[in-house]
Parts: sequence; structure tokens; C-alpha cells
Amino acid sequence: GAVVSQHPSWVICKSGTSVKIECRSLDFQATTMFWYRQFPKQSLMLMATSNEGSKATYEQGVEKDKFLINHASLTLSTLTVTSAHPEDSSFYICSVMGEHSSYNSPLHFGNGTRLTVT
Amino acid sequence: AQSVTQPDIHITVSEGASLELRCNYSYGATPYLFWYVQSPGQGLQLLLKYFSGDTLVQGIKGFEAEFKRSQSSFNLRKPSVHWSDAAEYFCAVATSGTYKYIFGTGTRLKVLA
Repeated sequence: GAVVSQHPSWVICKSGTSVKIECRSLDFQATTMFWYRQFPKQSLMLMATSNEGSKATYEQGVEKDKFLINHASLTLSTLTVTSAHPEDSSFYICSVMGEHSSYNSPLHFGNGTRLTVT
Repeated sequence: AQSVTQPDIHITVSEGASLELRCNYSYGATPYLFWYVQSPGQGLQLLLKYFSGDTLVQGIKGFEAEFKRSQSSFNLRKPSVHWSDAAEYFCAVATSGTYKYIFGTGTRLKVLA
């Protein structure tokens, strides 16, 4: 069954508005979640690491004020795209660690969110 | 720096034919290696992983991959492809001891009936 639930699966918003994407770990508590971005026909790029109870760690080149991450509980992380612009249109995917929270547990990915900014 | 190369952007095979998707990595120590599959508009599903031990690993859906340290490769294989295997396949490497995955650019598989 699904390990990670991501919502919404697709969203269309107007330029200048903000959009929130939720990522839930269904089977186990996840102290760490990861947010990826995938451009059309390209690979996944890690945006940030979301840590429960602390600030997210952003990858180089990712605007932390643009992409707000909140890891409010052990099962929920949210990514908010603030003041969205057409260039933010992309496929956003979250992932969580395996249930044993060890490096030998591969990541489980959500089904992604297709964001289109008009 | 670590990197992953998938030389083939597109591959087309006939249903029932064998398949091999190539993956080469660059990493100094023993990496953690993964193959994921992505259907259109979907997230990624883990096919198989290699951490240590037997260099030939079996995965789901009849896939297998072989880790060859001398060639820095982790190629994915399937003896007989099914139409439902049409998807995008990503190879990924993780630094041992971290969760930072580096993905290849993907190989899009098309299966002819």
C-alpha cells in the first residue's frame, strides 16, 4: 500500500498567489522528509530537507523565502510556493525515509503534485 | 562530486524482448545504488537497491541489476519486457551515510506491441 500521500495531485493557480502542498507519511513517523522538483522530461532535483521541529535545509540555489517548508508533525510536511510565477510551474515530489530511519532504508516517494501557474 | 549518468534518453523494445538500461556513477567509496520507475504523472516506485553483498540484486516486476565496481555501473535488466513496463526509469546514487540522492536524467522506455 501507499507509504506517502501527497496532496493535491495537481493545482492551477494565478501568478502572485501562494500554493501549499502537503506530504504525509502514512505508515510511520518521519523525522525527515525531502522535497524534489522535476522539470518536464528532466530528472529530480533535491530542493530541501525538511526536519521535524527545526528549520529546513535548502539546497544551493533554492530560495528559502520562495519555497517555505514546515514540518509540523512527524507525519506531515508542507511546501508552500509563495507568490508563484509561471516559472515555478513544475512537478513537485516529496519523499520520506524508510520506516527504520536508517541509511539502509530507501526513500519512498509520493505521487507528486503538478503545479501550473498561469 | 557524485554524479549519475544514464546514457540512453530513449529506448524502444518489442514486447517479449530483453531489456538493459545503463547507469554509470561517479563516487569514491561504495555507493548506495537504486533504480526507480516513474509512470506518467506519478511519483517514483523503487524497483531495487544495492547497498553491499551480492552484486546481482533482484527487484520487483522481474527486474534485476548488477553492480560492477570496475566499470562503475549498475545496469538494469529484464529478460522479457511487458507492455506495462513502458515508463521512465531513474538510476540514483546516495552517499553512504546520507539520504541525499542524486538522480540520473532518466531513460524513457517505449514498448512495441
